[in-house]
Amino acid sequence: AQTVTQSQPEMSVQEAETVTLSCTYDTSENNYYLFWYKQPPSRQMILVIRQEAYKQQNATENRFSVNFQKAAKSFSLKISDSQLGDTAMYFCAFGRGAQKLVFGQGTRLTINP
Amino acid sequence: ETGVTQTPRHLVMGMTNKKSLKCEQHLGHNAMYWYKQSAKKPLELMFVYSLEERVENNSVPSRFSPECPNSSHLFLHLHTLQPEDSALYLCASSQDSGGLAKNIQYFGAGTRLSVL
Repeated sequence: AQTVTQSQPEMSVQEAETVTLSCTYDTSENNYYLFWYKQPPSRQMILVIRQEAYKQQNATENRFSVNFQKAAKSFSLKISDSQLGDTAMYFCAFGRGAQKLVFGQGTRLTINP
Repeated sequence: ETGVTQTPRHLVMGMTNKKSLKCEQHLGHNAMYWYKQSAKKPLELMFVYSLEERVENNSVPSRFSPECPNSSHLFLHLHTLQPEDSALYLCASSQDSGGLAKNIQYFGAGTRLSVL
């Protein structure tokens, strides 16, 4: 069974700084997808970015980018020029078969003014 | 407007009550999900419906009973719950095209359930 581990329960940085959230996963599969979801205090889970395992190029989405290391089974999220609105819980998720997503425990990120 | 709407936002119920959570998606998706989110635990997948048929039930107690009358609506019927069932219940939907999970799941804002 796949597992996803986020080793940082909480992080806190100053506004405009860069922050990296860690995620590791365990799988024997070769083809899969990885996701980062954001859950702000409003509770709405929002997709931030996704990575297809067969693509070597790291995904980017504006200020958000990932460092995907397939051999190491690592999938970290980098947030550049952090903003107050980035304060949220961030969940890393692994997807293999249709409908199946396995989530990590989450990292609570606080951006301080 | 996120496309996935859950009602109610908050629910307090006694252990002998019967209540229902409702989820509606306006995205034209064909798969819907119920998740349980408890403090300091990963999201737990409870039920999956694809094309209105239940395709997964992750050993959820029978006091939780899902219903999917059509591809846009999903219910979670609750009865004789326990205090440990208190959690945030999230609904999600996706376009299930089969194969790899490249289809993105879109979530509602959840129902915060408290069982007294």
